[in-house]
Amino acid sequence: SQQGEEDPQALSIQEGENATMNCSYKTSINNLQWYRQNSGRGLVHLILIRSNEREKHSGRLRVTLDTSKKSSSLLITASRAADTASYFCATDADDYKLSFGAGTTVTVRA
Amino acid sequence: NAGVTQTPKFQVLKTGQSMTLQCAQDMNHEYMSWYRQDPGMGLRLIHYSVGAGITDQGEVPNGYNVSRSTTEDFPLRLLSAAPSQTSVYFCASNRELTDTQYFGPGTRLTVL
Repeated sequence: SQQGEEDPQALSIQEGENATMNCSYKTSINNLQWYRQNSGRGLVHLILIRSNEREKHSGRLRVTLDTSKKSSSLLITASRAADTASYFCATDADDYKLSFGAGTTVTVRA
Repeated sequence: NAGVTQTPKFQVLKTGQSMTLQCAQDMNHEYMSWYRQDPGMGLRLIHYSVGAGITDQGEVPNGYNVSRSTTEDFPLRLLSAAPSQTSVYFCASNRELTDTQYFGPGTRLTVL
């Protein structure tokens, strides 16, 4: 069963706008990760945030984690056409295993 | 470094046929995993390995076998292909437990 669920399922924005997507999970975690998948490709790791961290930045990406609400958000600022992709959160539901959500599909319009 | 490589990229099988999906990594990672990805769903873990000689089942292991004779290679075997196994298969490796996973490009499998 999936531990994490992304919301919304799909998002369409204009180039230059910000995109925000959320991930909710069910059980306690050690860390939460976000991945990007371009159409027809493998997943690429974006950012990892540990349970004792509340916010993390990487370039135009900002990830927050609220362990009390069991949720995380990924913000992409100043979006570009190249940001068009599916974004997945993954949590370490138990040892050795990552559990992925169904993803948010982001379309950036020129 | 090539990272994680998978072969073949595409495969069409008939029901009942068997085949092996190959996965190799050159990063000396102890942990390797196989996932399948179906439309509208996230990745589901099939099998994983925490080191050479050690494998375990994931969420959807039925119909698949794995072995890990070397650190580098982690092949996935379909014993008797079924249409329900039509999917995109991804192999991944990571250095530490539940750390960043590095994914291969995937194998798109169709079972007729």
